[in-house]
Amino acid sequence: GQNIDQPTEMTATEGAIVQINCTYQTSGFNGLFWYQQHAGEAPTFLSYNVLDGLEEKGRFSSFLSRSKGYSYLLLKELQMKDSASYLCAVCDSNYQLIWGAGTKLIIKP
Amino acid sequence: DTAVSQTPKYLVTQMGNDKSIKCEQNLGHDTMYWYKQDSKKFLKIMFSYNNKELIINETVPNRFSPKSPDKAHLNLHINSLELGDSAVYFCASSPAQGHTDTQYFGPGTRLTVL
Repeated sequence: GQNIDQPTEMTATEGAIVQINCTYQTSGFNGLFWYQQHAGEAPTFLSYNVLDGLEEKGRFSSFLSRSKGYSYLLLKELQMKDSASYLCAVCDSNYQLIWGAGTKLIIKP
Repeated sequence: DTAVSQTPKYLVTQMGNDKSIKCEQNLGHDTMYWYKQDSKKFLKIMFSYNNKELIINETVPNRFSPKSPDKAHLNLHINSLELGDSAVYFCASSPAQGHTDTQYFGPGTRLTVL
């Protein structure tokens, strides 16, 4: 079956760095997305990786290793507003998005 | 201007009732989606529409029926509501049919069935 695994919850300190991991097993691969979802709000797009390597976008970076079925989202210089759930989603060979359950990130002062 | 809008934002109703949730996007996108997010926060795709044609219909009960009067609208009608239907329903859109496009989500509709 198809599976996306992420930690359920992580805690980090304001100003620090945190890495949220995502491992996947899907039938085919057409890219991996990271979305941010604040409590009670809609998911919003953060990044898309289809090739191996690191994509940097401001304080957020996303890494992909297709051979390992692994990605991570790296958040630097954490701010209180970064407290949210981070959803990993993989586009499979049928172009269906398979979603993880999300990682709830708690930022402490 | 809101890119993807949904109404209502909150919906409280009794078991057995029929209700509809409306969705509109003004992005000119070709594909629209309906997702259900339950209390465990899993986002499950229910339907997607491309140019008014249903292209994905996941294993959802036939009590749920998507209706698309035009490319900019995809409404969700639910018959004979059940307690397990309580969830947040998100509408989304993307530029083209392939799911490699970024999806833009509406604000969600929190449905509570009593």
